[in-house]
Amino acid sequence: GDSVTQMEGPVTLSEEAFLTINCTYTATGYPSLFWYVQYPGEGLQLLLKATKADDKGSNKGFEATYRKETTSFHLEKGSVQVSDSAVYFCALTGGGADGLTFGKGTHLIIQP
Amino acid sequence: GAVVSQHPSRVICKSGTSVKIECRSLDFQATTMFWYRQFPKQSLMLMATSNEGSKATYEQGVEKDKFLINHASLTLSTLTVTSAHPEDSSFYICSAPGWARRTEAFFGQGTRLTVV
Repeated sequence: GDSVTQMEGPVTLSEEAFLTINCTYTATGYPSLFWYVQYPGEGLQLLLKATKADDKGSNKGFEATYRKETTSFHLEKGSVQVSDSAVYFCALTGGGADGLTFGKGTHLIIQP
Repeated sequence: GAVVSQHPSRVICKSGTSVKIECRSLDFQATTMFWYRQFPKQSLMLMATSNEGSKATYEQGVEKDKFLINHASLTLSTLTVTSAHPEDSSFYICSAPGWARRTEAFFGQGTRLTVV
């Protein structure tokens, strides 16, 4: 079945540092890929998405490119802020009845 | 954008009692709703899929009699934790699929259940 593997945290960075959170996937067909963010005590919010190969999703300074050749969707941000501290989930869907398949989540901690 | 509203956000109950969690789609009709459980510092575990007008589909290992799911209308799905025990304490999140296949899902705010 489908699966998502992402780097496990916590990842601790200083403010204004460069961020990369790795995500790779296995899926049949051509899934859509997502990054969700979860702030403490809240549900998940869509951060960005890409629906086909070579698409780049971007939002709030975060970017991720759908790389079919490496089955990856790494999340990057050039300069992180304290407010970016949260848990980030990589996910995919093939459009089937099972909804989203999630990675385990990466806890990001940004220190001032 | 689409909004999914989940209530309550927090609930504390005594062992042996039942708790109902509601999930509403506010500006669209959701024929399907996913229910997840999230343990501390872990990912979301799909518990069941509710379908309007038919029985819910439960994932392997999830007790149907303990976690009752009802999809009463196109805008409301409920999860009832029956005869709750401390081990049922967790963060529960509902989610509705997007407008079309392969699009993002919309999540409720989550419910923190504590059974004492």
